[in-house]
Formats: sequence, C-alpha cells, structure tokens
Amino acid sequence: DTEVTQTPKHLVMGMTNKKSLKCEQHMGHRAMYWYKQKAKKPPELMFVYSYEKLSINESVPSRFSPECPNSSLLNLHLHALQPEDSALYLCASSHRTGDNQETQYFGPGTRLLVL
Amino acid sequence: AQSVTQLDSQVPVFEEAPVELRCNYSSSVSVYLFWYVQYPNQGLQLLLKYLSGSTLVKGINGFEAEFNKSQTSFHLRKPSVHISDTAEYFCAVSPNDYKLSFGAGTTVTVRA
Repeated sequence: DTEVTQTPKHLVMGMTNKKSLKCEQHMGHRAMYWYKQKAKKPPELMFVYSYEKLSINESVPSRFSPECPNSSLLNLHLHALQPEDSALYLCASSHRTGDNQETQYFGPGTRLLVL
Repeated sequence: AQSVTQLDSQVPVFEEAPVELRCNYSSSVSVYLFWYVQYPNQGLQLLLKYLSGSTLVKGINGFEAEFNKSQTSFHLRKPSVHISDTAEYFCAVSPNDYKLSFGAGTTVTVRA
C-alpha cells in the first residue's frame, strides 16, 4: 500500500480567510513533504518533516504554516493568501531504504483557488 | 547541486507506437534517478527508479528506463503506448537526502 490521502480535493478561499489542508499516510513513513505545483510546471518543495520535526523550509512565506501533529498526519495552515498562491498543493511521504535512499510517494493533491 | 534536463517538452505519438522520453542530468555526487507520471488532475505516481545494479529498470504499466552513467542519461521507453498513457512525465534525481530535483516535464499526447 503506497497511498497518501489529501483533503479537501478542491478549495476556494478569499484573501482574508484561514483554511487548512490535510495529508495522511499509514505506511509508517517517517518523512512527509509539502509541494506547490503551478500549471505545466514541476512541483516545488515547500517543507519537509522528518520524524515529526521540521527539517527543511524552502524560504516559504509565513502565510503558509505547516504542522505535523503525529507521524501519520501533516497539515498546511493557510492565512492571508494571495491570488498567486493558487496552485495544486501536493503532499508526499517517504521511507528510507537499505541503501539510504528516500523514495517519495505523492498524494492526489488539493487544488487551491485564492480569490 | 543537481539539475535535470528533459529534452522534449511535448511528445505526440500514435496509439500502439513506441515512445522514448529523454532525460539528462548533471550532478557532482552520485544520485538516485526517478520517473514520475502525472495524469490529468491527479498527483504524481512513481513509474520506476534506479538506485544501483542493473542499468535497465522496469517499472509499472510497461515502462522501462536505462541508466547510462557515461552519458548521464536516464531515458524512459515504452514499446507500445495506449491512449491512457496521455500524461505529464517528470524525470527527477536525488542525492542521499530528502530533495528531489525535477525536470521541466514532458507532455505525452497519445492519439488514436
């Protein structure tokens, strides 16, 4: 089973709203990721959590706030977003194999529209 | 640092014809290599990966890729495509850490 689930599938929000994206995996993976993907572009890494601690923050604006409540869950809290933040937000999780390599598995994404 | 170049931005192909998607990379360290597929309005799905060993890697849905260290390439092939293979394909490399460097993507359109 290599399933990562994300909710909601679609989200429309105003620039003054506060919303959250949710990601869940039950594969025992110890690393979880948030990516942003604009149309016709590759995903861009935003955050990495390893063992429930923030490991990488790719200089993401503070209006995006990640949270990892436990090893299976990853949230992305959104506040005061801009229209240019409209994108597909992808969650991924990974496990480390015997040769010290991480293989990432992606969820279906949340398509966000900021009005 | 690593970089990935996907040499074709768009590849139109007829159903049941073969397809090859080209990927070249550069890196100052050893890397692991991946191909992901993204179907319309979906997330990314892992097609295959090269970690070590045999340079010919077989993946899901009839795809395979060949790692060529001297040419720093990792081209993806399928001998006979289906309409359902219409999608965006991303080549990616990763050193021994959490970061994936993606290519710009190749749009494959399969026509009947």
